[in-house]
Amino acid sequence: LAKTTQPISMDSYEGQEVNITCSHNNIATNDYITWYQQFPSQGPRFIIQGYKTKVTNEVASLFIPADRKSSTLSLPRVSLSDTAVYYCLVGAMGMNRDDKIIFGKGTRLHILP
Amino acid sequence: DTGVSQDPRHKITKRGQNVTFRCDPISEHNRLYWYRQTLGQGPEFLTYFQNEAQLEKSRLLSDRFSAERPKGSFSTLEIQRTEQGDSAMYLCASSLDGIPPNEQFFGPGTRLTVL
Repeated sequence: LAKTTQPISMDSYEGQEVNITCSHNNIATNDYITWYQQFPSQGPRFIIQGYKTKVTNEVASLFIPADRKSSTLSLPRVSLSDTAVYYCLVGAMGMNRDDKIIFGKGTRLHILP
Repeated sequence: DTGVSQDPRHKITKRGQNVTFRCDPISEHNRLYWYRQTLGQGPEFLTYFQNEAQLEKSRLLSDRFSAERPKGSFSTLEIQRTEQGDSAMYLCASSLDGIPPNEQFFGPGTRLTVL
């Protein structure tokens, strides 16, 4: 399973764009990159997933360079409610692969007013 | 509410007692996962089911832990002879089998405190 490395914590201000980068140097060919968000005393919540290039949804964008050894979660115009822990996960569930995902310690994002 | 539910939400027990937690996944989801999370750490994978079959167990899941998913619906996680080190949040998640890996929907968790 590919391990991930991401910053332990980040601070930003309301209205700013926040970029959280995750390193996954030994990502496998059929691994996908997935980001989850977790608020205190709640289970994690799926944010976005991608395989290569760029993926955008109503919440965030995910940038993945050609070598796929890293990825960047971009949160546009953050608000105080975006204060949470963000987890970068790498894995491929389904046939011929380990069917579990590994959470690291995540990045604690603190949004300041 | 059609999300993942867990019961109880909180459990306080004395060391050496047995506890059982229940998870009700989203009805059409065939995969069900159990995780454990301690303060300041990310969730740690414990085990997962595809329908009623338990396909993988983490080395974290000692002999005191057992999980079942009869009939491929709800699941139970039992911890026998609890220890203080078992104190944690136990999270359940469900998903649909598929490639790419489908989103896991997490329940609110059961917080276990072992005195």
